[in-house]
Amino acid sequence: GDSVTQMEGPVTLSEEAFLTINCTYTATGYPSLFWYVQYPGEGLQLLLKATKADDKGSNKGFEATYRKETTSFHLEKGSVQVSDSAVYFCAPGSGAGGTSYGKLTFGQGTILTVHP
Amino acid sequence: SAVISQKPSRDICQRGTSLTIQCQVDSQVTMMFWYRQQPGQSLTLIATANQGSEATYESGFVIDKFPISRPNLTFSTLTVSNMSPEDSSIYLCSARGVEAFFGQGTRLTVV
Repeated sequence: GDSVTQMEGPVTLSEEAFLTINCTYTATGYPSLFWYVQYPGEGLQLLLKATKADDKGSNKGFEATYRKETTSFHLEKGSVQVSDSAVYFCAPGSGAGGTSYGKLTFGQGTILTVHP
Repeated sequence: SAVISQKPSRDICQRGTSLTIQCQVDSQVTMMFWYRQQPGQSLTLIATANQGSEATYESGFVIDKFPISRPNLTFSTLTVSNMSPEDSSIYLCSARGVEAFFGQGTRLTVV
């Protein structure tokens, strides 16, 4: 089955620091790739996505590029803010054409804390 | 994007009882999913609910414990049966189109 290896946390940074959260995956077929964010006390929100190789998803200053050759989808942000403190989940989604289409496999989550 | 309403948002239940969680989507979707997020853990898929067919359960989850209904293309329910404290988790429903949308979750505490 599909699996995800996500950078372990917690990650603690100072404001304006550079952020990288690594994510590699194994999946059958051609998955779409997602990053989800869970702010304290809130539900799960889609942060960004990429649906094919070399696509770059971006949102709120975060970016991730779909690297098929390395099966990776690392999350980056050039300058983090205190408000970025949250739990981040990498999740490949089973691609179309298979019986498992639509299923997401979640990484273990990375807790990010940003200090002023 | 789809909006998913899930209720209840939280509940405290006695062991041995059952709780039914409802999930309403504001548009028709073919596939809906139910996930569990145990305290401090990641999300684990419980089952896939397709309209007009039986739900498909993941390894470790069974229909007797987590019966699911999917009466139409906008609604699904998950029941947590005969609850024990180990069932204390956040339960989330999801609908998948091009991307997956999530409800706000149901925070269940079993005492």
